[in-house]
Amino acid sequence: DAKTTQPNSMESNEEEPVHLPCNHSTISGTDYIHWYRQLPSQGPEYVIHGLTSNVNNRMASLAIAEDRKSSTLILHRATLRDAAVYYCLRLGNTPLVFGKGTRLSVIA
Amino acid sequence: EAGVAQSPRYKIIEKRQSVAFWCNPISGHATLYWYQQILGQGPKLLIQFQNNGVVDDSQLPKDRFSAERLKGVDSTLKIQPAKLEDSAVYLCASSSQRGIYEQFFGPGTRLTVL
Repeated sequence: DAKTTQPNSMESNEEEPVHLPCNHSTISGTDYIHWYRQLPSQGPEYVIHGLTSNVNNRMASLAIAEDRKSSTLILHRATLRDAAVYYCLRLGNTPLVFGKGTRLSVIA
Repeated sequence: EAGVAQSPRYKIIEKRQSVAFWCNPISGHATLYWYQQILGQGPKLLIQFQNNGVVDDSQLPKDRFSAERLKGVDSTLKIQPAKLEDSAVYLCASSSQRGIYEQFFGPGTRLTVL
């Protein structure tokens, strides 16, 4: 049980921002929200994580709802290299559980 | 910094045969994970090591799967005997410690059982 809900697929135009949503309505107060992505024929790659506050790094931004029941991964300018499956996960006292993620397609 | 190394990258065997996968984590990483990823699904954790001790193997089919991490560095995952449903990509990952720390994944070993 991944305990997170994501859309199966999304599509974006190149150079435009992408907002990938995740629902984690049963999250506990100590669970972190992690995002990984998996490019074709590669292992997953860490993207970003957060607890309560919004987070930014060189790859993306993570916006966490005030009630922590949902979050959004933001890619500011999608490129063709961002086409991948994006996984939203909860991490606390139990190990990572991957769902099926969101398959992001980027159109040139 | 060298990444997580895995070998072989591909393996084809017949059902009931045995197979072993090897993983070399990032130097200094105490925590090592083995995942199974069936086509179209997300990775599923099989076993987690902290140094050379097992932290979680609740989803490891222990009647046929085994794993070890001698000396707390390299690790091997073995399947004996293999079944058709074991066809998957086996991913190894490591992190500096348990918990919220970023996991670094290897390229995986694609196993096909005929």
